Amino acid sequence: EVQLLESGGGLVQPGGSLRLSCVASGFAFGNYGMNWVRQAPGKGLEWVSALSSGGERTYHAGPVRGRFTISRDNSKNTLYLQMNSLTAEDTAVYYCAKEGGSGKPYDYWGQGTLVTVSS
Amino acid sequence: IVLTQSPATLSLSPGERATLSCRASQSVGSSLAWYQQKPGQPPRLLISDASNRATGIPARFSGSGSGTDFSLTISSLEPEDFAIYYCQQRSTGWTFGQGTKVEIK
Repeated sequence: EVQLLESGGGLVQPGGSLRLSCVASGFAFGNYGMNWVRQAPGKGLEWVSALSSGGERTYHAGPVRGRFTISRDNSKNTLYLQMNSLTAEDTAVYYCAKEGGSGKPYDYWGQGTLVTVSS
Repeated sequence: IVLTQSPATLSLSPGERATLSCRASQSVGSSLAWYQQKPGQPPRLLISDASNRATGIPARFSGSGSGTDFSLTISSLEPEDFAIYYCQQRSTGWTFGQGTKVEIK
C-alpha cells in the first residue's frame, strides 16, 4: 500500500524557517517524481515545487522561488521542503504528492501538514 | 498557463448529471487531469490525460476535451460525489484551476 506521511508543520513567526518531510512507503520511491502542493485555509490547490526522480531537476512556483528548496534522499525514501523567509501568505496545508509517471498527474497524496505563519 | 473552471458552484440533486468545465489560457494538448476533494481530505485523482479514468474510479465519471477546452461529466450523481473538483494541467509547469463545488440542491 502506498503511503505518504508528511511532518514538520507548525507555527512559525514571519521571516522564520521550517523544513517539511514526507516519508514514502509502498512503492519504488527513487523511480518517481515528487511534488509539494499547498492549500491555504478555505482556498484552492496551489502547486509549490517539483523534483525529478533522481533529484537532478527542481522546479518552484513563482511565489516561493528563491525562498523554498525541494530535495530528496532516495536512500531514506524521504522528500523535503526547506522553507525560508516565511510570510503569512505561506500559511497552508502542505501536501506531498507522487507523480504517476514522468509528466503524469499525482496518483497518491499524503494527508498534509499545516504550516501557520503568524506572530 | 491559467486554468479557468466554471461554474464556481453547481447545485444539483442526486441522480442528476453534472458537467464541469475547465478552460486553459493556451493549449495544453491532452495534459489535463481532474481531482476530487472532500472536506478534510487530500485530493483524489479521477481523470488523467483528459479522458483516462484513474484506477478504481467509477464509470459514471468521464472526461473529454483537448487543447484549451475540457469537461468532466458525472453521469448520475451519487451522494458521495458532492465535493470540490479541480482540473490541473501538466503541459507547461503545473497549475490548478480554482475549483468547482458540486453541492446538494
